[in-house]
This record gives sequence, structure tokens and C-alpha cells, in this order.
Amino acid sequence: KNQVEQSPQSLIILEGKNCTLQCNYTVSPFSNLRWYKQDTGRGPVSLTIMTFSENTKSNGRYTATLDADTKQSSLHITASQLSDSASYICVVSAKEYGNKLVFGAGTILRVKS
Amino acid sequence: DTGVSQDPRHKITKRGQNVTFRCDPISEHNRLYWYRQTLGQGPEFLTYFQNEAQLEKSRLLSDRFSAERPKGSFSTLEIQRTEQGDSAMYLCASSPGLATGELFFGEGSRLTVL
Repeated sequence: KNQVEQSPQSLIILEGKNCTLQCNYTVSPFSNLRWYKQDTGRGPVSLTIMTFSENTKSNGRYTATLDADTKQSSLHITASQLSDSASYICVVSAKEYGNKLVFGAGTILRVKS
Repeated sequence: DTGVSQDPRHKITKRGQNVTFRCDPISEHNRLYWYRQTLGQGPEFLTYFQNEAQLEKSRLLSDRFSAERPKGSFSTLEIQRTEQGDSAMYLCASSPGLATGELFFGEGSRLTVL
């Protein structure tokens, strides 16, 4: 079973709307949790990194939250733009395994005009 | 451009042929990682280097795969006797030092094995 589960698998929203992507993980203990944006056919680009002691971090219109007690994170995108269409990947750094990164499968977001 | 660069971006080959991918990390980044990504999945770890030393290899890295980083700068990933199951995006990433630090990915090399 994957240690990092993301939902939904895919999502379609209208331009200008907000959306929230979910990440549930079982990796414990962990060093940090990251969200990456990956455009089709490109490499992932980091959006946020949060340590276990942080519960929110923003990067422009992207806000990530972390609840270490329930082992859940979310990525909220405000006022979506067409360029937000991409795969969003949740990644947990596993302290037990030398901080190896455990990747989720990603949520594919499509923003329509 | 001072980001991670990978070459070639796309490679189409016939089954049984050998292929080699090159990764040039961000200069002064001493950690370099190779990942494989198939459609609809997140990247899977293959191997990582700290400077020129290959410190870890995944079980995914069969005997047909070999990676080098001879001078602690660029790295190559070679796949011998390619199989159709090797078709994937091969991603390289570099990091300045800490295992918990930021990873900077290249654009990837997409391999299609016919």
C-alpha cells in the first residue's frame, strides 16, 4: 500500500474558482512534507516545504496545510488560472529511511475557461 | 540557465538497444538523484550520489541499469538491452547538501522502447 495517498485522482474546475487537494500519509516519523507542481512532460517544481512543526505555508495563490496528528495535508489553490493545470504531487520525507522521499501519485488538475 | 539540465529530452529506441541519459546538476550541488516516472504515477527513486559516490540504489535498478557520476559533477544513466517496460520518464534532481533540503528537478528524459 502506498504510504502517501492523494485525492482526488483528478479534478476539473472553472477558471477563477478555488480548489483543495488532499494528501494522507502513513510515513512516520517524517522530516518534512512537500508539494510539487508538475506540468505535463516537465519535471516537478517545488511549491512548499513544511516541517512537522509547521501547520501552514503559503506561496502566492498556493497554501499548504499540515495536521501531523491526523497525518493529513492539503493544498489550497485560490483564484485558479489556466496555467494551474498540472499534476500536484505530495511528497513526504521519511526520517526512518534516511529522509528518503516518498511520492504520492499526484492529483491531476485541469482548469477550464 | 543554471537549473538542472537533462539530455536528450526524448529518446525512441528499439527493444534490445542500449541508451544513455545525461544529467548536469546545478553547480555546487553535491547530491544527485535519479527517478523514474510512469504515466499517472509519482516519481520512483532509482539511485543517488553524494559527490562521486553512489550511496544508494533501489531494487528497481536491475543489472541492466548503471549510473555514474565520475567527477562529482554530471551523471549518466545507462540502460542496456532495453525492454518495453523501461519506457518512462527518467528524472534527475540535485540538492545542495542536506537530505532534508530542497530538490531541484530537471525536465526529464522520456524514453520510448518499441
